[in-house]
Amino acid sequence: DQQVKQNSPSLSVQEGRISILNCDYTNSMFDYFLWYKKYPAEGPTFLISISSIKDKNEDGRFTVFLNKSAKHLSLHIVPSQPGDSAVYFCAASDRPGSARQLTFGSGTQLTVLP
Amino acid sequence: ETGVTQTPRHLVMGMTNKKSLKCEQHLGHNAMYWYKQSAKKPLELMFVYSLEERVENNSVPSRFSPECPNSSHLFLHLHTLQPEDSALYLCASSLGTGDREQYFGPGTRLTVT
Repeated sequence: DQQVKQNSPSLSVQEGRISILNCDYTNSMFDYFLWYKKYPAEGPTFLISISSIKDKNEDGRFTVFLNKSAKHLSLHIVPSQPGDSAVYFCAASDRPGSARQLTFGSGTQLTVLP
Repeated sequence: ETGVTQTPRHLVMGMTNKKSLKCEQHLGHNAMYWYKQSAKKPLELMFVYSLEERVENNSVPSRFSPECPNSSHLFLHLHTLQPEDSALYLCASSLGTGDREQYFGPGTRLTVT
């Protein structure tokens, strides 16, 4: 059973508009959340993160919102640019054993149209 | 360029072959990870190494055998694989196993015929 879910496999947005990518999780032990971006033929690269003690973190055009009661987080990209077109993975972190582990969602393909 | 390199980038092997995937990180990190990404599925953590010691093994079949000779290098030895093992294999590293942010290599696209 997937503990981190990205229910939209794809999203298309016009350049300059807002992109909103969503992620839901089920494990209440997750205490840190991350977004990764992946271009074709490259590995995922870290984009932005948020601790469970916060509800918002902003970095330039990227803002992540966390709603703990709903077990939901979202990534907002404003304004969207064609170079933002990539697969975006949501990941959640906990420490079930001796090492922190990341649990990933299946990704959302964002296409920003010029 | 994330500071994590993987070779080869593509590999085709038969079910009776033995091959190895290599990962090298140039970041001075102490923890390294192997992930598997199958089509349309999330990344799945396979192994975690901390200072060359394996600290996590997430129920991976024995036909996958990791090796970490030092904190900069990580190998995944493959033998008698199945076609369903075809996937993208990603290596990652982090400063320590307590660190949340991981840096990924570009991956090895493996096809088992």
